[in-house]
Amino acid sequence: KQEVTQIPAALSVPEGENLVLNCSFTDSAIYNLQWFRQDPGKGLTSLLLIQSSQREQTSGRLNASLDKSSGRSTLYIAASQPGDSATYLCAGYNQGGKLIFGQGTELSVKP
Amino acid sequence: SAVISQKPSRDICQRGTSLTIQCQVDSQVTMMFWYRQQPGQSLTLIATANQGSEATYESGFVIDKFPISRPNLTFSTLTVSNMSPEDSSIYLCSVEVGDRGSYEQYFGPGTRLTVT
Repeated sequence: KQEVTQIPAALSVPEGENLVLNCSFTDSAIYNLQWFRQDPGKGLTSLLLIQSSQREQTSGRLNASLDKSSGRSTLYIAASQPGDSATYLCAGYNQGGKLIFGQGTELSVKP
Repeated sequence: SAVISQKPSRDICQRGTSLTIQCQVDSQVTMMFWYRQQPGQSLTLIATANQGSEATYESGFVIDKFPISRPNLTFSTLTVSNMSPEDSSIYLCSVEVGDRGSYEQYFGPGTRLTVT
């Protein structure tokens, strides 16, 4: 059974700092992996999709990597801004085609 | 990508009543899903809404409690029946787009339900 774990559960950093959010999954047969952002009380915004055959994806200040052999994905945020404050969720597609979500990392970027 | 809207955005309901949540997509999609996010928790898949047939429910969720309709490829409803305070959650619909190997899910803004 696929399980997704995110570390840390919460993170507070000063503005301008580079940071890394971690995601690990138990089943290396993961298909694709998505990173989402969720603002308090809101829906999810898709940030990056890493396909099974890819190792990383970049969008602006965000870079996500996927290492299926070690069961890990990371989301790198460069030059963090207060507007980046949100909960970040990673989710992996299992072989049954369903998204399995981690618990999320709550990020706070202080001005 | 896909643009998804949900109605209502939030509601406060009394115990024992039912609420129907609507989900509208701006394009035809095959796969549509309903999730629940309890306070402080991550997302849990309730069911896959199938067009033209009964929804496929995940373990722990039943049709009598969460009836789902999918009359066409752009619309679905989720009803939360006989509500109790434990049903207080954010309910989200999502759609899957893309080709084989590049499936990606997009989510609606969610419906925040409080049961008193």
